[in-house]
Amino acid sequence: KAGVTQTPRYLIKTRGQQVTLSCSPISGHRSVSWYQQTPGQGLQFLFEYFSETQRNKGNFPGRFSGRQFSNSRSEMNVSTLELGDSALYLCASSLELNQPQHFGDGTRLSIL
Amino acid sequence: ELKVEQNPLFLSMQEGKNYTIYCNYSTTSDRLYWYRQDPGKSLESLFVLLSNGAVKQEGRLMASLDTKARLSTLHITAAVHDLSATYFCAVGGATNKLIFGTGTLLAVQP
Repeated sequence: KAGVTQTPRYLIKTRGQQVTLSCSPISGHRSVSWYQQTPGQGLQFLFEYFSETQRNKGNFPGRFSGRQFSNSRSEMNVSTLELGDSALYLCASSLELNQPQHFGDGTRLSIL
Repeated sequence: ELKVEQNPLFLSMQEGKNYTIYCNYSTTSDRLYWYRQDPGKSLESLFVLLSNGAVKQEGRLMASLDTKARLSTLHITAAVHDLSATYFCAVGGATNKLIFGTGTLLAVQP
């Protein structure tokens, strides 16, 4: 069974640009969550989606947005990139809410 | 706001020794997770603890949960080099939002 797939794996952008990251959950999983991991702030929750609805949002500026499609695939977008947005972005999926989450390998975003 | 604290942040231990990683959280929670992360890799789920007194074991790792003390422990028995990684605890509630601890970098020396 395929795991959580995140694309791209690596991305280099410059300040002011925008970026879209993609996450394909495990087949049959309806919940997708996103996390940001940095050396300074650790792992921080970004969003949670279930059946195309955002159920929860972390304490991030409005430049960070996301969505979930009818096939449960999810995307997150970051606009007007800042140096501090350099991080590993992890996506996790679960069958339903309150079920163990399985993490993808992440997208490493570097801002120059 | 829920806070999760782990200690120690860094643990260097010799092979064959035992040690415990502690995870304290600030408010009542439904579930406690332990994850392992190898350098450059994603998070691997180790344990899910759902109730007070829950204990789970897998190989040389054993996790327990005391909801009254808001404390979970990850005990390492007779460490081996393959256990070297960063270990995170995370607290969840009614949704899938997880609040992670700071992580414990474990280095097992031969």
